[in-house]
Amino acid sequence: DAGITQSPRHKVTETGTPVTLRCHQTENHRYMYWYRQDPGHGLRLIHYSYGVKDTDKGEVSDGYSVSRSKTEDFLLTLESATSSQTSVYFCAISGGQGADTQYFGPGTRLTVL
Amino acid sequence: GENVEQHPSTLSVQEGDSAVIKCTYSDSASNYFPWYKQELGKGPQLIIDIRSNVGEKKDQRIAVTLNKTAKHFSLHITETQPEDSAVYFCAASISGFQKLVFGTGTRLLVSP
Repeated sequence: DAGITQSPRHKVTETGTPVTLRCHQTENHRYMYWYRQDPGHGLRLIHYSYGVKDTDKGEVSDGYSVSRSKTEDFLLTLESATSSQTSVYFCAISGGQGADTQYFGPGTRLTVL
Repeated sequence: GENVEQHPSTLSVQEGDSAVIKCTYSDSASNYFPWYKQELGKGPQLIIDIRSNVGEKKDQRIAVTLNKTAKHFSLHITETQPEDSAVYFCAASISGFQKLVFGTGTRLLVSP
């Protein structure tokens, strides 16, 4: 497995509370991504980063923000969680020798009550 | 933007049979097509990928074919085994642009 960890792995929170998910990599890859996975939708890109402090929006970025202050860490923040953000969140990395290939972390299951 | 459609959504086969999953894409500029396998409770894992400069690629029991003219690509699994049971995702992107667009997934069930 690529050296990617996500924390927490499971979280239950209430509507309106802030939530931060963390992705940590040990591969020194340039690119990092956050996806959400929902039944019937596959994986959809939320935000991605192409370097420290360099980020861009994906397909479903509303309600989410990201930060990358170090190569190895990429944070996803839900400023005020809503029930529609209940999902499984995956972090991915790319930028090694096979630059296009994305490697995924184990996921975080988030439930917003 | 790119749109990827994947069929079927579920596929049941007997052990030893072949399985085929098909995807179509909309953006003719896409030139990188990976396939991922996702087991229950785990993240997607790359199993094979193909670029638009080749029409077919094989890796043991797995093969992928690409038809650029028709804008579709397929995953072929031969001699299926129960451990092939999982959800499979296709994806497409433009090489170097780092944005993968995924299909909605196919749940493959291989019965002994």
